[in-house]
Amino acid sequence: DTGVSQDPRHKITKRGQNVTFRCDPISEHNRLYWYRQTLGQGPEFLTYFQNEAQLEKSRLLSDRFSAERPKGSFSTLEIQRTEQGDSAMYLCASSLAQEAHGYTFGSGTRLTVV
Amino acid sequence: SQKIEQNSEALNIQEGKTATLTCNYTNYSPAYLQWYRQDPGRGPVFLLLIRENEKEKRKERLKVTFDTTLKQSLFHITASQPADSATYLCAHIQGGKLIFGQGTELSVKP
Repeated sequence: DTGVSQDPRHKITKRGQNVTFRCDPISEHNRLYWYRQTLGQGPEFLTYFQNEAQLEKSRLLSDRFSAERPKGSFSTLEIQRTEQGDSAMYLCASSLAQEAHGYTFGSGTRLTVV
Repeated sequence: SQKIEQNSEALNIQEGKTATLTCNYTNYSPAYLQWYRQDPGRGPVFLLLIRENEKEKRKERLKVTFDTTLKQSLFHITASQPADSATYLCAHIQGGKLIFGQGTELSVKP
């Protein structure tokens, strides 16, 4: 197992287009998280799954954002009708369900909306 | 509201000195805090976890303290090296997921 993988590493898209990112977590981890990070800020929570169930979605998250984890393995994050304000690093992390464990993060997908 | 805050000013120190980074929390009492390292263009990497009943935790040149009276955690890197230059994040669990501070950038000069 090589850790958490995210694809693509970079994405440039025109405003109004839809984009989809993929995350492959560590196979033994049943929790998967999505975060967004802008320059000079810490990661901001977006949503998380335990197995295939989406347990929480940030209230700050627009309806244009949707995430799935159909078989409790990989996850996708889709942004519809992208806006320039969506430009950020999108990070995926996985962990065991027990809370006192560190998260393993992927290297992120850098989104630029032009 | 619950807040976790780090000094947003970058910390510049000389190689060999001890770097000390601060994480403050308000309006709650976390059961534990986590510290992460993040390099530019990469995801955070987990370093240490300290529980509220632990005063101190060590890992090689790293030391974390947890002061529930001051509502503060300190992160120390002893004998710092240029390779320690990175952004360091503290985080706590809230509602089943980690909430991060804004991070402090550390620069170690040779």
